[in-house]
Amino acid sequence: QKEVEQDPGPLSVPEGAIVSLNCTYSNSAFQYFMWYRQYSRKGPELLMYTYSSGNKEDGRFTAQVDKSSKYISLFIRDSQPSDSATYLCAARGGRAAGNKLTFGGGTRVLVKP
Amino acid sequence: DAMVIQNPRYQVTQFGKPVTLSCSQTLNHNVMYWYQQKSSQAPKLLFHYYDKDFNNEADTPDNFQSRRPNTSFCFLDIRSPGLGDAAMYLCATSRDWGLAGAGVAKNIQYFGAGTRLSVL
Repeated sequence: QKEVEQDPGPLSVPEGAIVSLNCTYSNSAFQYFMWYRQYSRKGPELLMYTYSSGNKEDGRFTAQVDKSSKYISLFIRDSQPSDSATYLCAARGGRAAGNKLTFGGGTRVLVKP
Repeated sequence: DAMVIQNPRYQVTQFGKPVTLSCSQTLNHNVMYWYQQKSSQAPKLLFHYYDKDFNNEADTPDNFQSRRPNTSFCFLDIRSPGLGDAAMYLCATSRDWGLAGAGVAKNIQYFGAGTRLSVL
């Protein structure tokens, strides 16, 4: 079992719809959770960063972490064609865990005009 | 803008011909990472430098080496590329926990645009 699981998609939505992305993880030591966006043939770009459980909002993006169920989510409101990309969730432990980031496999999202 | 810069963006090499990929950063981060990412897969960590200390992942083949001559630069050397080494290679940097400062998100990794390696 991978430490971070993510549905590969593709997830196709019409422009303006809400995009809902999810990851599950198995390592209870994970404390920090990130979402990266990766356009085709480009490097990952950090979108959201959260610590422990809770919600975080930034513009059209909302990240949620539920540590009790080991479930992390990203919601994109009012989706735009420019949101079409692969979204990678990632998790890491605290300071004692070192520097390693564990990624999910990514979900490909297509927002159709 | 401060950033992570990878060169070249595209690299074509021949089977068995050594190749070097470069990464530079203006973020003054003390940790630098190299990842391999194959199509539709998650980035796979090869190794990272914590300051000058090299940390190899257990499953990274000996064919992959790295050098970090100073804080700003890091190189990935592939001694004898095989067809299976064709991939996107990503460099990332982060600032160590203790250096991030109060109120600053801890140890976030920032990525370069990647180098796409083709092996003929």
